[in-house]
Amino acid sequence: DQQVKQNSPSLSVQEGRISILNCDYTNSMFDYFLWYKKYPAEGPTFLISISSIKDKNEDGRFTVFLNKSAKHLSLHIVPSQPGDSAVYFCAANSGGSNYKLTFGKGTLLTVNP
Amino acid sequence: DAGITQSPRHKVTETGTPVTLRCHQTENHRYMYWYRQDPGHGLRLIHYSYGVKDTDKGEVSDGYSVSRSKTEDFLLTLESATSSQTSVYFCAISESKGPLDEQYFGPGTRLTVT
Repeated sequence: DQQVKQNSPSLSVQEGRISILNCDYTNSMFDYFLWYKKYPAEGPTFLISISSIKDKNEDGRFTVFLNKSAKHLSLHIVPSQPGDSAVYFCAANSGGSNYKLTFGKGTLLTVNP
Repeated sequence: DAGITQSPRHKVTETGTPVTLRCHQTENHRYMYWYRQDPGHGLRLIHYSYGVKDTDKGEVSDGYSVSRSKTEDFLLTLESATSSQTSVYFCAISESKGPLDEQYFGPGTRLTVT
């Protein structure tokens, strides 16, 4: 039973436009959410996070929005750049049990020049 | 960059043979994790450690064992490798002072079981 869902396996956008990556979760105990970015042949790297006490967190070109009632979060990248082309993973934890993360399957973002 | 290395980086082995993957850190972080990444599954936690000799299972622990005798090393062992364990394995470390603490990932080990 998949607790963190990224229903779009891939997304293609033009350079300079907005990229929106979506993530849904089913476990109501999840209160903390993190996004990771992964390039081919490398390990994932942390991008941005949000806790359930907030509905928005911003870091430069990256903004994460959380709608707790809908159990939905999204990552916005504005403006998108070719170097943003990567797989993006959404991850969640409940704050307990040693902060174990549950990851989604990932979305491959391609930013075209 | 966090000091995490994984060895070997690539390995091909035969079904039924034992395999040990090593994760080494120089950050003195308390928590260490082993994940596997497979197409269509994302990253799945195999085992994790919250201190020397303290380990626990993740969501896909069957067929795997781990050991941590020193803070800096976390070993993942496949006692008898199967083709379903062909995957890319990532080690991660974290200070885990809080639920939003990031995990730092190693470069990965690509394991092929023939």
